[in-house]
Order: sequence, then structure tokens, then C-alpha cells
Amino acid sequence: DAMVIQNPRYQVTQFGKPVTLSCSQTLNHNVMYWYQQKSSQAPKLLFHYYDKDFNNEADTPDNFQSRRPNTSFCFLDIRSPGLGDAAMYLCATSRGTGGQTEAFFGQGTRLTVV
Amino acid sequence: GIQVEQSPPDLILQEGANSTLRCNFSDSVNNLQWFHQNPWGQLINLFYIPSGTKQNGRLSATTVATERYSLLYISSSQTTDSGVYFCAVPPNQAGTALIFGKGTTLSVSS
Repeated sequence: DAMVIQNPRYQVTQFGKPVTLSCSQTLNHNVMYWYQQKSSQAPKLLFHYYDKDFNNEADTPDNFQSRRPNTSFCFLDIRSPGLGDAAMYLCATSRGTGGQTEAFFGQGTRLTVV
Repeated sequence: GIQVEQSPPDLILQEGANSTLRCNFSDSVNNLQWFHQNPWGQLINLFYIPSGTKQNGRLSATTVATERYSLLYISSSQTTDSGVYFCAVPPNQAGTALIFGKGTTLSVSS
């Protein structure tokens, strides 16, 4: 089945040690998004790619970076994770931007920082 | 920017009961999605419903775009319906991604 796949499901990293989360999609969608969701809160958009065009949200910390080497894959890099970065990270895709088409989410990666 | 408000924030039901969840939004939208976040954290698409009414099994949704609200109906609730229900809309016609409400946490007991 076409889908959005995130790896790993659970990630434990040390304070300050760079970590990379991955997302792949078989939907051939143009747009890929990364959201951060902290406990008991709604998902919050970090950034998105429309094809190769990168769009950063104004309040996304510089500590968060992203790469999209091809249509299928997108990576979230956290350069120096702090305790406050512990959260669920959700990847999503859609055909277009502005929410004009339906968004589909992966299973998420739960990040723990120790 | 657009504001999305969901009510009630929490809902506790006995198995078999019916419920209605509400989503109000502060500006015109041409897209709205309902999601169920299961206990493992995955967001499951329920409905993509910018206007009108849709049904899928025990769930149905209605969006009245002119009055800026959407309703999600759950009938004959089951324990597997437990979790958080989010509605989400785009920030505007030219905006990016989805803006989420704070969600309704549903607990269904047997």
C-alpha cells in the first residue's frame, strides 16, 4: 500500500548528540512536512518542502534542519538536541500546499533525550 | 492567523454511547480534515471535508463552511475509538500545511 513511513519509531539520543529522523513516501506527493508534537499538545509545523523548495516556519529553532534528497525521502536533523526537544516528530505529505489537498501522516518517531 | 477551537476538550463515554465533537474556525476555509490520534501517536485520516456531509461506518462528519464549523459524529462508540480527535485547516488559501485545533480527548470504557 502507498504510505508514509517513518524510521525509527522510537529514538533515544544523548543531550547534544546530533540525531537524524527519516521519512519516506510512496505516494509521489510534491510536498513533505515535518511537525513536532509535545505531550498533550497539537502538532506544530516546523518546515516543509514543495519539491526541492524549502520553507521554514518563522519560529522553528536553528537547531532543526531538513534535507530532501529526492521526491521519496525527507530527513529531519537535530544538530544539538536539548531536553526540550523530546517530542513526537510527525512527517506528512500532500499533493499541493495550502492544505488544498489531503495530508497523510506517518506513524511518527518518538524522540527521547537523555 | 486563523484560530481553530475544538470542544469539548475531554469526553468520557460508556461503550455503545453516541457523541458529537465540534470544530469552530475563525475564517473561511476551503479545506478541513478530521484526524484520530491513536494511543501510539499515529494520526489517522478520518475525513477530508471542506463542506457537506460524509459518512464512514459509525463515523460521520458535517462541515458548514458558511457558518465556520464542522461536527464529527461517533455512533455506538467502542473502546478502540479512544484517543485524541483533531480537526485541522489551512491558515489561508495561500498558506502552508495545516493548523490544528487543540483536540478532543475521548475515553471509551467497557
